[in-house]
Amino acid sequence: DAGVIQSPRHEVTEMGQEVTLRCKPISGHDYLFWYRQTMMRGLELLIYFNNNVPIDDSGMPEDRFSAKMPNASFSTLKIQPSEPRDSAVYFCASSLEGLGGPYEQYFGPGTRLTVT
Amino acid sequence: AQSVSQHNHHVILSEAASLELGCNYSYGGTVNLFWYVQYPGQHLQLLLKYFSGDPLVKGIKGFEAEFIKSKFSFNLRKPSVQWSDTAEYFCAVIPDTGRRALTFGSGTRLQVQP
Repeated sequence: DAGVIQSPRHEVTEMGQEVTLRCKPISGHDYLFWYRQTMMRGLELLIYFNNNVPIDDSGMPEDRFSAKMPNASFSTLKIQPSEPRDSAVYFCASSLEGLGGPYEQYFGPGTRLTVT
Repeated sequence: AQSVSQHNHHVILSEAASLELGCNYSYGGTVNLFWYVQYPGQHLQLLLKYFSGDPLVKGIKGFEAEFIKSKFSFNLRKPSVQWSDTAEYFCAVIPDTGRRALTFGSGTRLQVQP
């Protein structure tokens, strides 16, 4: 298995521009998570989906952020308009609910976003 | 809301030294506990996890952790560290409430000197 795939790996954009981050979860996984890592706030949840349905978006900072999961193999996180304080590493993770312990999450390599 | 505390922010050890990283969580109910490692420039990888049963959990690369319910702790240990263990270590929790998201501690940066 290729693991969780994220693109792009690095993104540099100017303030005010729209940014779209992409994630392909591990095939067969039914949970997908978006986390953000910053020096100030550490690792924090933005949103997660179960079977393509958003379950908890309490970590989404504000209306500038939106996430979608149109099918089981693809999710996007969009920031519009972007601001310098959005600079961070954005991780996507996926997991599978199962009998042996449902909660192990597998992380992608992350997208390092820099907003100038 | 639950929280996770990692009191050691930066630890420097020599090779072959023993390691113990502290992790405490705040939640009164049943919890699922994890240690993740992030090597420089890489993504998070699971070291070990505790769901139930034996409170002493063994993970990959010689790491182990002990769940002490009375102390709300899940400390990570390794008897002899190697230079390749240089990384950042994150403790995380998922309370058994049905919510599936990880709550992470602030991380501990481990530097192993050869």
